[in-house]
Amino acid sequence: GAGVSQSPSNKVTEKGKDVELRCDPISGHTALYWYRQRLGQGLEFLIYFQGNSAPDKSGLPSDRFSAERTGESVSTLTIQRTQQEDSAVYLCASGARDSSTDTQYFGPGTRLTVL
Amino acid sequence: AQSVTQLDSHVSVSEGTPVLLRCNYSSSYSPSLFWYVQHPNKGLQLLLKYTSAATLVKGINGFEAEFKKSETSFHLTKPSAHMSDAAEYFCVVSDTTGFQKLVFGTGTRLLVSP
Repeated sequence: GAGVSQSPSNKVTEKGKDVELRCDPISGHTALYWYRQRLGQGLEFLIYFQGNSAPDKSGLPSDRFSAERTGESVSTLTIQRTQQEDSAVYLCASGARDSSTDTQYFGPGTRLTVL
Repeated sequence: AQSVTQLDSHVSVSEGTPVLLRCNYSSSYSPSLFWYVQHPNKGLQLLLKYTSAATLVKGINGFEAEFKKSETSFHLTKPSAHMSDAAEYFCVVSDTTGFQKLVFGTGTRLLVSP
């Protein structure tokens, strides 16, 4: 079956511009996560959505970052006024349940380069 | 807060020889632990997970890991490396406060030579 998809796969933008990154989770998965992976580093948690509950935004690094999710479907991560330090791979994952033991399924990521 | 430490940033092995990727964790209670693999230009894939059942966990592609509470370790092993095992491996602990927030190690790049 279809996995998690993300678009675009690559995005190059100029400093100060806004960008939108999209994530399509596996159908039926209620949990959705965004992570950031900087070069040579592990993933950093950004934000978590579970069903129609209020998202957990505790990992967002600044107020320039925001994310939305329509029901249990597509999610969009928006970065306003991009900075060079925002350059990273942004990964989305979805999960069937909210459980500490459940498996998160990751998309291929969006590589963002801010010039 | 929970954390994991991957002791080696790079590990080089020859094809057919054993693989050992080391991971130590820090947790105030019984954690859930995972190993994920990331092949170039591909998404992260779950190799195996420990969820307080058996301490020796078997995963895909011949990998296994042993949870050792006394040593706070969760090392990943494979008896015989294959060229296709070359990838980045991440040890991960689950922060169980409220939802499954994964905390990743910095990764170990496995290089396999012929």
